[in-house]
Amino acid sequence: QKEVEQNSGPLSVPEGAIASLNCTYSDRVSQSFFWYRQYSGKSPELIMSIYSNGDKEDGRFTAQLNKASQYVSLLIRDSQPSDSATYLCAVKRSARQLTFGSGTQLTVLP
Amino acid sequence: GAGVSQSPSNKVTEKGKDVELRCDPISGHTALYWYRQRLGQGLEFLIYFQGNSAPDKSGLPSDRFSAERTGESVSTLTIQRTQQEDSAVYLCASSSGQGADEQFFGPGTRLTVL
Repeated sequence: QKEVEQNSGPLSVPEGAIASLNCTYSDRVSQSFFWYRQYSGKSPELIMSIYSNGDKEDGRFTAQLNKASQYVSLLIRDSQPSDSATYLCAVKRSARQLTFGSGTQLTVLP
Repeated sequence: GAGVSQSPSNKVTEKGKDVELRCDPISGHTALYWYRQRLGQGLEFLIYFQGNSAPDKSGLPSDRFSAERTGESVSTLTIQRTQQEDSAVYLCASSSGQGADEQFFGPGTRLTVL
């Protein structure tokens, strides 16, 4: 079992729809959770961090965390073509480094 | 202020040669990380520096890989006797080393070993 798992996609949604990206992790002692966006040929860009159970909203983005289910998700409302990218889920345990999932490729169709 | 910078942006080398990759973290960030990303894959942790503490080298794939950091400034990742499987994008990130400790990435160095 991978430490951090994501559906590789590709996930396609029409412009204006809600995109839902999911991530599960295996280590129950994981403390911090991050979503990065990575455009093709570019480096990851931090878009959301979440540390406690529940929802955290920032503009069109909402991160959801359920530690009991070891599940974290990212919702993108009113999806735009510019949101088309690979979304990386990252988890931090007691050590400082992040463990990344392999990413979900999102395409928003105009 | 400026973000994380890395150089060179691209490096093409021949198998067996040594390469040095450089990372300049965000000013004031005490923590610095190196990751590797192979084409179409996620990021693999390589090494972590925090202030003057001993680095966490647990992610280095072989003894051909080494890294140094002087104080809380520039870091250099060295790959000796490069192999074709070393071809990847090498990403550097830095963080404040405290609190939320979010990591911010540089633009990466794309290494191609012929």
